[in-house]
Amino acid sequence: KNEVEQSPQNLTAQEGEFITINCSYSVGISALHWLQQHPGGGIVSLFMLSSGKKKHGRLIATINIQEKHSSLHITASHPRDSAVYICAVIAETQGGSEKLVFGKGTKLTVNP
Amino acid sequence: NAGVTQTPKFQVLKTGQSMTLQCAQDMNHEYMSWYRQDPGMGLRLIHYSVGAGITDQGEVPNGYNVSRSTTEDFPLRLLSAAPSQTSVYFCASSYSIEGGGWRSPLHFGNGTRLTVT
Repeated sequence: KNEVEQSPQNLTAQEGEFITINCSYSVGISALHWLQQHPGGGIVSLFMLSSGKKKHGRLIATINIQEKHSSLHITASHPRDSAVYICAVIAETQGGSEKLVFGKGTKLTVNP
Repeated sequence: NAGVTQTPKFQVLKTGQSMTLQCAQDMNHEYMSWYRQDPGMGLRLIHYSVGAGITDQGEVPNGYNVSRSTTEDFPLRLLSAAPSQTSVYFCASSYSIEGGGWRSPLHFGNGTRLTVT
């Protein structure tokens, strides 16, 4: 089983819809990143959070460390939001160090 | 600022050839890291560095070498390319804060698409 699972794998929405992308993990973590990969391949960091909620424009990210779950919400979705959204957890290792573990991504397509 | 610059954008190698993927950042970030991205799989960490002169292995280090002689540069070397190394490679950097460099925003280069025939 993958340490980081994202759902759904693919998501198609109509412009204006509210979008939710989920990330669940099975390892202990200290924090989590949400990344956006554009159709052209470039990757941009959206959020890094270790508790609660963060908001940037139409994007909202939440995390519940105890429940091992994070969500990324997009309000009033737009075709330019079409991208792959990637969850990456900062996982604790047995040696006491940390490592980054990535989900496989959720491909979002927003139709006009 | 240019951010993180990766070169080349595309490369085709024959099995057994060697090459170096270049990565440079101008943000004075301590952490730099290399990833590969394959279809159906998430990004996987190859090697990373927490500062000049310090490197460590990630999840999939075999077949790759790195060094970090300056803060700005973190090249990835393939000593003897294999078809299994066909992938898209990303370099990223981040600044170090209390708790480490993974907890600050990651800045990615635009990627190098490598094909090994």
